[in-house]
Amino acid sequence: QSVLTQPPSVSGAPGQKVTISCTGSSSNIGTGYDVHWYQQLPGTRPKLLIYANNNRPSGVPDRFSGSKSGTSASLAITGLQAEDEADYYCQSYDANLREVFGTGTKVTVL
Amino acid sequence: QVQLVESGGGVVQPGGSLRLSCAASGFSFSNYGMHWVRQAPGKGLEWVAFIRFDEVNKYYGDSVKGRFTISRDNSKNALYLQMNSLRDEDTAVYYCAKRGLRGHYFEYWGQGALVTVSS
Repeated sequence: QSVLTQPPSVSGAPGQKVTISCTGSSSNIGTGYDVHWYQQLPGTRPKLLIYANNNRPSGVPDRFSGSKSGTSASLAITGLQAEDEADYYCQSYDANLREVFGTGTKVTVL
Repeated sequence: QVQLVESGGGVVQPGGSLRLSCAASGFSFSNYGMHWVRQAPGKGLEWVAFIRFDEVNKYYGDSVKGRFTISRDNSKNALYLQMNSLRDEDTAVYYCAKRGLRGHYFEYWGQGALVTVSS
């Protein structure tokens, strides 16, 4: 049902950099709609991590950064920490479906 | 600080109805659009419905269209989701979420209410 595709999982050692991709289409990301990212720690509600492609809400560490190009977007986590182990979701707006989410990516810290 | 607190979840039989509520505080509720988003057990996030700040426009995801109704009472800082003709696949945690100030995103989320559809 998700129209944005993410890798099911990524992993990295503490201190490393990991990147999560989010692939859409011409009816959502490719049209120019912004991409947003959420972090969901185990057993908790989602939390806004990045909004409008590359903006961090107050309190979000600058280890998290976002980018967008064409029909895709990416979330990068640099200096990976154990507390970053969570599920991450991208989200955009679709001309036909309105708000749409990515399939989700589980980040594991080795 | 912004607080969103859902209530009204529970167990309901297939074909039954349930009404969720979301109590909002810490922001000017009547100035913001509001969403419902759900997450089935072990699954990803799915947008359910949106209501504009003034109730002029309401939108629904395809899977709930015609069965669910979103509403709000700005005098009570409350958001609602009336769910009818419930199906097994509606089993999920339902979150209310505040629309982002600068676009189509979910700025704050409630803790969620579990709805279980089972006979």
